[in-house]
This record gives sequence, C-alpha cells and structure tokens, in this order.
Amino acid sequence: ELKVEQNPLFLSMQEGKNYTIYCNYSTTSDRLYWYRQDPGKSLESLFVLLSNGAVKQEGRLMASLDTKARLSTLHITAAVHDLSATYFCAVVGGLSTNMRFGAGTRLTVKP
Amino acid sequence: DTGVSQNPRHKITKRGQNVTFRCDPISEHNRLYWYRQTLGQGPEFLTYFQNEAQLEKSRLLSDRFSAERPKGSFSTLEIQRTEQGDSAMYLCASRGGTGEKLFFGSGTQLSVL
Repeated sequence: ELKVEQNPLFLSMQEGKNYTIYCNYSTTSDRLYWYRQDPGKSLESLFVLLSNGAVKQEGRLMASLDTKARLSTLHITAAVHDLSATYFCAVVGGLSTNMRFGAGTRLTVKP
Repeated sequence: DTGVSQNPRHKITKRGQNVTFRCDPISEHNRLYWYRQTLGQGPEFLTYFQNEAQLEKSRLLSDRFSAERPKGSFSTLEIQRTEQGDSAMYLCASRGGTGEKLFFGSGTQLSVL
C-alpha cells in the first residue's frame, strides 16, 4: 500500500528565512503533487511533478522530485506571512489511479 | 470554466439520517473524485469515476456510502444512517482526460449530531 509521509508536520518560521518541507513515499510513483490549503478552504494546486529531477518554481516556492529516493521537497525562500497555510504533498502510484495525501505541514510565518 | 462546485456547503444532521451531497465538476472533465478530510488530516480517497463508470472505491467506503455519476457530468454522494464518525469535510475534485492537475471544490462540511 502506498504511504506518504511529510515532515515536519508543524513549522513555525520567521519572515525572511528559508526552509524545506520533505515528502517521502513508499512505492513507485507516476506523479507527485503539492497543494496549499488555507483554513476552512479547499485545496489549491501548486505544482505537478512528473519525472525524476523535475524542478518547478513559483514565486518563493520551489518543488523538486527525486524518484529514485522517492522524495520530493518544497523549498521556501525568504518566507512572508502570506505563505502561512497547510501544505500537502500527494502521490499517484502503485496499483491505484487515485491520489494519496500526506498528513500535511502546517506552516506559520511570523513577523 | 467556473470551477468545481459543491453543495450544500454545510450540512448538519442527526445521527441515523440520510444525507446527499452534489458535485458539479469542471465541464468536460471526465474524471471525478470524492475525498473525505477530517480536521488536521490530509484528504482520504473515497471513490473515482471516469465518465459514468465508478472505477475505484476505497475500503473506507462502507456499504452506507454510495456514489453515482449517472450521465458522466455531476455526481452525488449519499451517506445512509449517518454516524458521528462521518462528520468531516467531503471534497470533490475533477480532472480532464489529458490534464495532470486535479481541481478541488470548496467541499461540503458535514456535522452529525
């Protein structure tokens, strides 16, 4: 069974600092996704990573994928308060066509 | 493209009652997914449709849960004889045939008293 683990689960950072969220998964994956969720809201798609070595960047967020290590990272550069949210990675892989989510990383950016 | 629409946004019901939720996916998206999310957790997969065919169901989906997508457009998720443990956010998502992104609706928040 495909398992997806994120760490850390909680992250409190100061504005202007850099940090990385990690997403490990247990079986061969076809696709890896990163989503953002604000409290009480639905999920917003951030990145879709489709191949080994894929790197995508949008503003202060950069996501990468290493399929050999079964690891994706979401790197935050010079954090700002607006980035405070919960970030989920999700993986499609194994025998299933559906997306399995990690538990999420709750990010708080403090002034 | 008006996005994935779900209704109702909120539903409060008493234990033992039946509830039905509706999802209207992005038009022409042939793939539709239902997920359930509880507080502090990631969404859990419930079921998946390609057009009108229900192709995958989670073991989480007990026999009290049923989903339909009769014409390959909107979908309904019914929960019979609700239990307090059914309280959660029910999310619907859709994806086009060649698209990679999954677009989520705003969800239906169910509270079972």
